[in-house]
Amino acid sequence: QQQVKQSPQSLIVQKGGISIINCAYENTAFDYFPWYQQFPGKGPALLIAIRPDVSEKKEGRFTISFNKSAKQFSLHIMDSQPGDSATYFCAARANSGSRLTFGEGTQLTVNP
Amino acid sequence: NAGVTQTPKFQVLKTGQSMTLQCAQDMNHNSMYWYRQDPGMGLRLIYYSASEGTTDKGEVPNGYNVSRLNKREFSLRLESAAPSQTSVYFCASSFGHSYNEQFFGPGTRLTVL
Repeated sequence: QQQVKQSPQSLIVQKGGISIINCAYENTAFDYFPWYQQFPGKGPALLIAIRPDVSEKKEGRFTISFNKSAKQFSLHIMDSQPGDSATYFCAARANSGSRLTFGEGTQLTVNP
Repeated sequence: NAGVTQTPKFQVLKTGQSMTLQCAQDMNHNSMYWYRQDPGMGLRLIYYSASEGTTDKGEVPNGYNVSRLNKREFSLRLESAAPSQTSVYFCASSFGHSYNEQFFGPGTRLTVL
């Protein structure tokens, strides 16, 4: 049973465009929502994270939007670049420990 | 610092064979994790160790065993490999406190014939 649902499964964007990846969750005990980025042949690495006490967090071209009432959060990549081509995973952590529950992943391709 | 290291990088097994995947971290992290990654299913937690001397089951523990050998090392054992265990396996570590980042190793690609 997937507790964090991620969409779309794959995404193709032109260079300079905006990439948007969405995640939804059911468990109201989740209190930390990171996004991980994975390049081919590598392990995932933390990209950006948000806690539910804020509705938005921005780091450079990457922004997380969080909607607590809808139990949804999304990653926006502004001015997408070919170097952003990777698989992106959303995740969530319950307040009872350090375990993360991951979404299914989105394979992003940014065409030059 | 090497971060999180995993051995081997690739492995091919026949059904019924056993093997151990090794993981080590040099960041003095308390918590360590084993995940498997399958297409369209994201990263699923197999086992984790919140601290040295403790291990707990994750989402998909069947067919696996783990050993937290010391604070640095956390191994994953397949006693009798099955084709359904063909996957990419990732080890990760973190300090284990709230909101701590998990650092991942480079992965082991396992094929079971």
